[in-house]
Amino acid sequence: DIQMTQSPSSLSASVGDRVTITCRASQSIGTYLNWYQQKSGKAPKLLIYAASSLQSGVPSSFSGSGSGTDFTLTISSLQPEDFATYYCQQSYSTPYTFGQGTKLDIK
Amino acid sequence: EVQLVESGGGLVEPGGSLRLSCAASGFTFSNAWMTWVRQAPGKGLEWVGRIKSKTDGGTTDYVAPVKGRFTISRDDSRNTLFLQMNSLKIEDTAVYYCTTDTAAAGTYHYYMDVWGKGTTVTVSS
Repeated sequence: DIQMTQSPSSLSASVGDRVTITCRASQSIGTYLNWYQQKSGKAPKLLIYAASSLQSGVPSSFSGSGSGTDFTLTISSLQPEDFATYYCQQSYSTPYTFGQGTKLDIK
Repeated sequence: EVQLVESGGGLVEPGGSLRLSCAASGFTFSNAWMTWVRQAPGKGLEWVGRIKSKTDGGTTDYVAPVKGRFTISRDDSRNTLFLQMNSLKIEDTAVYYCTTDTAAAGTYHYYMDVWGKGTTVTVSS
């Protein structure tokens, strides 16, 4: 199975900050990488698919990049509603696997 | 409105069985690949398994810890997805989400874009 490792596991930041979350795959997965946001007690929400494609309705402050084994999710200017947990997920091969999550909270 | 609604969760003893359902609406369910994802209390997301559309073979894939115990099926006439869970273990305790597994147009890039609110399964004696 492909292992996904996110860093950091937690992150404190302020409104207006630029934030970057990293995800590393245990083998090359091309651009078969998705990012999700999950708020407490809610279902996850798709943000980015195919490493860099923005899902419809997601603010342009979110962006994704990377290929192979190393990927990043960037939030260009944090808004209050962005404080949540973020997960990467590979769709290169089953079983699909998620990173352990990055919890983003208010500094 | 595109919607997924899970049901069937509850409290079950170790070794017991439970059948989860996921009612779909607002899209052509028969064409959709469908997935179950779970989240143990305070933990991250775990992909449980997937079923392809019948047009694409209707085959299933599972994560290792549930293979041989869980079965995903679908009833396209009722727009409903199922997860039959047998020989339940304490570590199966989680919120179970039903999701669509959608391919970006013209590609094999799959992603989970529609999620239900989840149903809670608790395995305890």
